[in-house]
Amino acid sequence: AQSVTQLGSHVSVSEGALVLLRCNYSSSVPPYLFWYVQYPNQGLQLLLKYTSAATLVKGINGFEAEFKKSETSFHLTKPSAHMSDAAEYFCAVSDTRGSQGNLIFGKGTKLSVKP
Amino acid sequence: DADVTQTPRNRITKTGKRIMLECSQTKGHDRMYWYRQDPGLGLRLIYYSFDVKDINKGEISDGYSVSRQAQAKFSLSLESAIPNQTALYFCATSDLHSGSITGELFFGEGSRLTVL
Repeated sequence: AQSVTQLGSHVSVSEGALVLLRCNYSSSVPPYLFWYVQYPNQGLQLLLKYTSAATLVKGINGFEAEFKKSETSFHLTKPSAHMSDAAEYFCAVSDTRGSQGNLIFGKGTKLSVKP
Repeated sequence: DADVTQTPRNRITKTGKRIMLECSQTKGHDRMYWYRQDPGLGLRLIYYSFDVKDINKGEISDGYSVSRQAQAKFSLSLESAIPNQTALYFCATSDLHSGSITGELFFGEGSRLTVL
């Protein structure tokens, strides 16, 4: 069965610093991978997704993630953090390819950005 | 107006009461889902429906039931609420065709339920 592990439930960075949020996946089939963001008191919205095209995926708000099969990783990065990036971030994997795929979510990483 | 609307947004109830959380969508998507979010546990799937006649249990369906009244409406019921059902509940949708390829979900803003 597919699963994702997010390393670090809380990450704190200074404004302008690099953001790195870690996600490792387990999948018996080539996965589809996602990063979602949840701002306070809001639902989740899609940041970016990997669907077996380019391994470096660019998303909204300057975020990107790189699919590394050899490391079973899909880490999320942003070169320079903004205060508005403070939110909770969820990595997710599609549990099977094809029409039955449901998303399996990680436990989330809360990002704090210090002035 | 939001594409995926959940009501109520906040509810406080007592142990043993019946509660219904409602979800409606204007995206025209076939698939609808109910997730539960607890701090430190991420999102866990309760039930999902691929069309009006299709209902499936998710990871944590015990204590919950659902009804897909129409393509656009999917409600979640707690027949007899208990305190450990206190959580943030999310409805989500996906499109059959794009969903079968990417699995992308579109979320409502959540319903916060407190069971005393």
